[in-house]
Amino acid sequence: AQSVSQHNHHVILSEAASLELGCNYSYGGTVNLFWYVQYPGQHLQLLLKYFSGDPLVKGIKGFEAEFIKSKFSFNLRKPSVQWSDTAEYFCAVKGFKTIFGAGTRLFVKA
Amino acid sequence: GAGVSQSPRYKVAKRGQDVALRCDPISGHVSLFWYQQALGQGPEFLTYFQNEAQLDKSGLPSDRFFAERPEGSVSTLKIQRTQQEDSAVYLCASSLREAGGDYNEQFFGPGTRLTVL
Repeated sequence: AQSVSQHNHHVILSEAASLELGCNYSYGGTVNLFWYVQYPGQHLQLLLKYFSGDPLVKGIKGFEAEFIKSKFSFNLRKPSVQWSDTAEYFCAVKGFKTIFGAGTRLFVKA
Repeated sequence: GAGVSQSPRYKVAKRGQDVALRCDPISGHVSLFWYQQALGQGPEFLTYFQNEAQLDKSGLPSDRFFAERPEGSVSTLKIQRTQQEDSAVYLCASSLREAGGDYNEQFFGPGTRLTVL
């Protein structure tokens, strides 16, 4: 069965700290991978995506993610977070269908 | 419009009432998806349309849930005899190509928050 696991449900960081949010999936076939972000009061927006090619993908607002096929992982990173990054982040995997993780709530202290 | 729109944004229903939630996808998008997002959870797949054809309804939780997209554009999700456990945000998403294809990202609407009393 296809599944997605996000390791951290809540993360609190100070501004300028580095961020890494974990995402692991299980699926035996070819996958497309996504990170979505939901800012307070707004709808889900695509942050970045991996379809093929370079496993290190860069998205908007300085975010990047690395697809490690052997580990079935697609972790999200940002070297220096800002207060405006406070949001909920969802990892999603499209294999047979698109499955979302439970989300990670990030709070960045100013 | 420029994005996916949904209406109403908020709906309060008494238990046992029927509700209808509307989704206007991005013009020209072939695929349309409905998701249910419970509090503190990620979106969970309900059903998928390719144009007017409902190709996957495996995520619908019961036969009280029904979705249609009769002309391949606007879609309606109907919930009959609502129960308290139906309280959630219902998200609609559309994508340009068919769901089975690669390079196919979904664009989400703002959702309808349904509260069943």
